[in-house]
Amino acid sequence: GDSVTQMEGPVTLSEEAFLTINCTYTATGYPSLFWYVQYPGEGLQLLLKATKADDKGSNKGFEATYRKETTSFHLEKGSVQVSDSAVYFCALSGSNDYKLSFGAGTTVTVRA
Amino acid sequence: SAVISQKPSRDICQRGTSLTIQCQVDSQVTMMFWYRQQPGQSLTLIATANQGSEATYESGFVIDKFPISRPNLTFSTLTVSNMSPEDSSIYLCSAGQRGELFFGEGSRLTVL
Repeated sequence: GDSVTQMEGPVTLSEEAFLTINCTYTATGYPSLFWYVQYPGEGLQLLLKATKADDKGSNKGFEATYRKETTSFHLEKGSVQVSDSAVYFCALSGSNDYKLSFGAGTTVTVRA
Repeated sequence: SAVISQKPSRDICQRGTSLTIQCQVDSQVTMMFWYRQQPGQSLTLIATANQGSEATYESGFVIDKFPISRPNLTFSTLTVSNMSPEDSSIYLCSAGQRGELFFGEGSRLTVL
C-alpha cells in the first residue's frame, strides 16, 4: 500500500540555518503530497501541498517540490527561526482515495 | 477552510470504561476521518466516518472497540470502548476534501 518514509530526527539547528527534511514515498498512480506541522501544544496544520509532478508547494518560507522521478517531496527552508520549532509530518493521499498516510514525523528545534 | 472542534480536549479514564469523543465541523464536508497519535508516534488512521452508513475501518481497528457515528455532514463521534492503558493516546478528527484535510486539536486520553 501507500507509504511515506521521512527523515528521522530530532534535528537541532541555530537560527538562520538551512533546514532540509527528506521525504520519500511509495504509491500507485498519482498521489497528492503534503507537509503538516504541529507546533508545541497545538493541533496539526497544513503547511504546504503539491498535487502533481513538478509542482512546488510553498508557505511561510518553506518549499517542497513534487519529484516523481525520485518519488520525493523534501521540505526546505533557507533561514529558520526559533518559531519554526515544531514536529513536521510528510503525508500523501492516494490517487483513488482521500485518506492521508503520514510519515513518522521529524522534530525540529531551532535555537537562538 | 474548515474549523474542527473536538471535545473533550482531554480526559483521564479508568480501565474498562468507555469514552465518546465528539467532532464538530463548521461547514459541510465530504470526508471525515479519525486518527490516533500514540505518545511520540506518528498519526495512524483508525477509520473513515461515512455519513449515514457504517464506518470503514483500517487494518487493526474494529467496530466493537472503536464504534463511530456520523449522522450528518458536519458531526461525528468516536467511542473508545473497554479502555486499557494501551489506549492512552491523542485521538484526532480530520475533515475536508481531497487536496486538503483539516484537523481538530485532538482529544488526549489517559487511561489508568
